[in-house]
Amino acid sequence: AAGVIQSPRHLIKEKRETATLKCYPIPRHDTVYWYQQGPGQDPQFLISFYEKMQSDKGSIPDRFSAQQFSDYHSELNMSSLELGDSALYFCASSLVGGRTEAFFGQGTRLTVV
Amino acid sequence: DAKTTQPPSMDCAEGRAANLPCNHSTISGNEYVYWYRQIHSQGPQYIIHGLKNNETNEMASLIITEDRKSSTLILPHATLRDTAVYYCIVKPGGGADGLTFGKGTHLIIQP
Repeated sequence: AAGVIQSPRHLIKEKRETATLKCYPIPRHDTVYWYQQGPGQDPQFLISFYEKMQSDKGSIPDRFSAQQFSDYHSELNMSSLELGDSALYFCASSLVGGRTEAFFGQGTRLTVV
Repeated sequence: DAKTTQPPSMDCAEGRAANLPCNHSTISGNEYVYWYRQIHSQGPQYIIHGLKNNETNEMASLIITEDRKSSTLILPHATLRDTAVYYCIVKPGGGADGLTFGKGTHLIIQP
């Protein structure tokens, strides 16, 4: 079965640079979620989108923005990167109104140097 | 504020049932109990969820107390591949709300 696809899997950026992470949800899923997991930390919810509209907002820094496109894929844009942004970034997708559990991708490991 | 409380770690012998407890004494009437697990740095994996009735699927069983203030996840025949951090999460059913991961329980299956 198709899963959530995230790209790239690994990314190295320098401080103050920008990064864009991409997420392709499971086909027919209309909701995407972004999570950040720092080293030794538990996943932290950042933001979610349902039908291309922002739905819920967690602890997403102002330097980050995200959007969901008409084909339901989503992108997380991160600017003015800081060392503390080094983390695993997970995307998840679900079908709102139907099955409600979220399926996670394998994550993007971002390293800021 | 933590909405769930779980023991930080547990051990279980391979082939035995693993019983993971979770306290959620402030759960609201519209909130479900969800269980996810994360195997070292992989994406979290959905296990099971329930509202008030006990639930069972191919992975696990979920037992929710009658007052809904606590629950137990049961892995009936634990294998080494079940070693992971298990998260108990409460949230309203449906909708696009994000999951609030707490500290979870690090379950170690011993050979």
